Amino acid sequence: DAGVIQSPRHEVTEMGQEVTLRCKPISGHDYLFWYRQTMMRGLELLIYFNNNVPIDDSGMPEDRFSAKMPNASFSTLKIQPSEPRDSAVYFCASSLVAGGNTEAFFGQGTRLTVV
Amino acid sequence: SQQGEEDPQALSIQEGENATMNCSYKTSINNLQWYRQNSGRGLVHLILIRSNEREKHSGRLRVTLDTSKKSSSLLITASRAADTASYFCATDALNTDKLIFGTGTRLQVFP
Repeated sequence: DAGVIQSPRHEVTEMGQEVTLRCKPISGHDYLFWYRQTMMRGLELLIYFNNNVPIDDSGMPEDRFSAKMPNASFSTLKIQPSEPRDSAVYFCASSLVAGGNTEAFFGQGTRLTVV
Repeated sequence: SQQGEEDPQALSIQEGENATMNCSYKTSINNLQWYRQNSGRGLVHLILIRSNEREKHSGRLRVTLDTSKKSSSLLITASRAADTASYFCATDALNTDKLIFGTGTRLQVFP
């Protein structure tokens, strides 16, 4: 397996534009997590899915953020409209079972810059 | 909010020395994990220790867990320049599937 695949690796967009980040988890993994990493706030859990169902989205900062997982092999994180303070590295991770019971595998991240 | 806080925030040592990083967390947990992140890359899992374990080893890594103090430590022995990275602890609180990360320790190992 190629691991968790995220796209794009880098995204530069203008304030107000819609941004869609994509993630392909490792096949067979039941859990998918979206994290955001900034210098100021560290690594924040935004939302996680179990078997394609969103379980906890309490970390999603605002209604401008939404995430979907239409099937077991694909998830998106959308920001609409984007703002400069959304600039960060966004990571997707997947794990075989519940979050802490086994290791999570991370993608390489999407570095988002909103200007 | 973050569950774990690492200490120190940054650590600089010479090759061959040992590096110790500490993690404190707030609520009771099932498991605690340590991850490593090289600059510009994703996190990589290092070791997992369960709440009923007190110590675990993996190669040059030694992890301890004290659930009474809600703290863990990661010891890297005989450090190498290639160990330069940020190290994070991650915990899952009881009755939740969330994996929450601490603030991280930036380790610099000089040749």
